[in-house]
Amino acid sequence: NAGVTQTPKFQVLKTGQSMTLQCAQDMNHNSMYWYRQDPGMGLRLIYYSASEGTTDKGEVPNGYNVSRLNKREFSLRLESAAPSQTSVYFCASSEPGNQPQHFGDGTRLSIL
Amino acid sequence: AQKITQTQPGMFVQEKEAVTLDCTYDTSDPSYGLFWYKQPSSGEMIFLIYQGSYDQQNATEGRYSLNFQKARKSANLVISASQLGDSAMYFCAMREFNSGYSTLTFGKGTMLLVSP
Repeated sequence: NAGVTQTPKFQVLKTGQSMTLQCAQDMNHNSMYWYRQDPGMGLRLIYYSASEGTTDKGEVPNGYNVSRLNKREFSLRLESAAPSQTSVYFCASSEPGNQPQHFGDGTRLSIL
Repeated sequence: AQKITQTQPGMFVQEKEAVTLDCTYDTSDPSYGLFWYKQPSSGEMIFLIYQGSYDQQNATEGRYSLNFQKARKSANLVISASQLGDSAMYFCAMREFNSGYSTLTFGKGTMLLVSP
C-alpha cells in the first residue's frame, strides 16, 4: 500500500534555481493538494486539484505552479526558488466530502 | 479571523493519564467537518478522527474521542490512557462543505509530550 508517494524526500537548491516536486497516489482519488509546513504556521494550502484537468490556488500560491498530469500525478514547480520557500512540502489526496486527506511523507526543501 | 484556533502550543502528560487538546473553529457554514491529525517526529501526517457538524454523537476511535460542543464551536481531542508513542504534534482541521469546493484549513498545532 504505497498511498501517496513524494519525490524527492530532501533537496537543497540555490536561490534562482528551478525544481519540480513530484507526487503520485494509487488510491484513485479525484482530489489532490499541495501544502507547505513552516514552524509555528501549521499547514498552508498552496494549490489543489479538485479533479483531473483542474487546478486552483490555495492560500499561498505565489512563486509556485502546478500540473495535474493525470488522475494519479500532481506536480509542484518552483520556477525561481527563493529562501522564503524553504519549507517542508506535503502532497495529499482525498475524495470530496467527509473523507480524510491522505498525506505523503513530505519533501524537506532548503533554499540557500 | 482564524478559522481554526489551537491555543495550547505545548502540553505535557504522564503516561496512562488522559489529556485534552483544545480546538475552536469559526464558520458560518452549517455543514462542515472537523478532522484531527497526528504528526510524530518522523514527519508523516496521520489521520486520527472525524466529526461532522450534523453528527449526533461524539466521534470515537479507539483511545481517541472528540468532545464536540457545537454551540461553543469547539472540537477538542481527548486521548485516554496516554502512551509514550502519543508524543507528537497534533493538528485540528476543518472543511466547510458549502463553500464552493471545500479544502481543509489547519490550525497551528499542539505539541504533546508524554512522560514515563
